[in-house]
Amino acid sequence: GAGVSQTPSNKVTEKGKYVELRCDPISGHTALYWYRQSLGQGPEFLIYFQGTGAADDSGLPNDRFFAVRPEGSVSTLKIQRTERGDSAVYLCASSIHGRGGTEAFFGQGTRLTVV
Amino acid sequence: AQTVTQSQPEMSVQEAETVTLSCTYDTSESDYYLFWYKQPPSRQMILVIRQEAYKQQNATENRFSVNFQKAAKSFSLKISDSQLGDAAMYFCAYRDVAGGTSYGKLTFGQGTILTVHP
Repeated sequence: GAGVSQTPSNKVTEKGKYVELRCDPISGHTALYWYRQSLGQGPEFLIYFQGTGAADDSGLPNDRFFAVRPEGSVSTLKIQRTERGDSAVYLCASSIHGRGGTEAFFGQGTRLTVV
Repeated sequence: AQTVTQSQPEMSVQEAETVTLSCTYDTSESDYYLFWYKQPPSRQMILVIRQEAYKQQNATENRFSVNFQKAAKSFSLKISDSQLGDAAMYFCAYRDVAGGTSYGKLTFGQGTILTVHP
């Protein structure tokens, strides 16, 4: 596609439920990032994929969060046993590679609300 | 760990005037990149301008320019001839180029909301 696509745009779930957030990066981009943005704050890094492998998952807050990118394109962020504190906008970005000043292109995010 | 600080939660400017948004950062690296991103209500982050730390010349993109002071670890954004469409949240961001597993990751500041008055 022309840009980074994230689905769903909005997701409301009940506390304790499992959710999956999907990211379709720009075709040919090997680097993919997930960020979490709480209301009124800057995005915080969660995980970085180079190809199929997670090169840096140091930002995942705990073991309820997991992300995959099995074929090196689409990525899914998975959150188990959701908590109200997980409510935020989850942003995905991709770039041609992860080095230097290459531009990271962002999707419009998924707004997750845990009630 | 690198940190980015934007000390102005909100700024406002009259249309056609000039405004400067401030950003400071902390790093022990000598080579890195700095970025300004714009986030309108649509939530999509849009790159405004980037600066390579080893370049002394300040980056410029049309009405947008930066004042990069490496020794002071300061990276401000100047918007000239402000337009209504410039109204958005602006984020300053830092990226390492030192290699390892952390390169690629962006560290963002808290953001500055810019209002443009007609």
